Amino acid sequence: AQSVSQHNHHVILSEAASLELGCNYSYGGTVNLFWYVQYPGQHLQLLLKYFSGDPLVKGIKGFEAEFIKSKFSFNLRKPSVQWSDTAEYFCAILNTGRRALTFGSGTRLQVQP
Amino acid sequence: DVKVTQSSRYLVKRTGEKVFLECVQDMDHENMFWYRQDPGLGLRLIYFSYDVKMKEKGDIPEGYSVSREKKERFSLILESASTNQTSMYLCASRPPGRPNEKLFFGSGTQLSVL
Repeated sequence: AQSVSQHNHHVILSEAASLELGCNYSYGGTVNLFWYVQYPGQHLQLLLKYFSGDPLVKGIKGFEAEFIKSKFSFNLRKPSVQWSDTAEYFCAILNTGRRALTFGSGTRLQVQP
Repeated sequence: DVKVTQSSRYLVKRTGEKVFLECVQDMDHENMFWYRQDPGLGLRLIYFSYDVKMKEKGDIPEGYSVSREKKERFSLILESASTNQTSMYLCASRPPGRPNEKLFFGSGTQLSVL
């Protein structure tokens, strides 16, 4: 079954620092990958997704992710974080059999002003 | 914009009670999902549904059931609540068509079982 792993559980950065959150998936076939974000007190929302084409995907709020098939990775990046990026970030993979998402355990990002 | 509404933001129940969590979406989405969110475990899929009266088990269906009598409403039922079902419950819906379309989430129901 398709699954994703997020190894960074809690990341603390200062404003203007660069961000990279890791996501590794386990599936050898065609994958559909997503990053969702949950800001404090808000519902989950989609940051970006990859399903084919250019492996560098750009999302909202200046985030991007790179799909690297050889490394089974889909890491989330942002060149310069802001305090407002404080949130929990979830990587997810589409289970093609079920047509439902399987989420990772999440990474809590804390940006200090 | 799509709205997914969960009937309660906070709920406190006692062990053994039957609990109903309601979710309504207003955009005629066929696909609806129930997840639970726990710290360090992320979101885990409980049940999902692709159409009225249709349901499929997710990864952790034990202790739960669902009902989808109308397209817009997807209910999660805890037949006999237990303390290990204390969690944040998230409902989501997705438009028909390609399964890689984004999910629309509700605000969640924080359930405490005492």
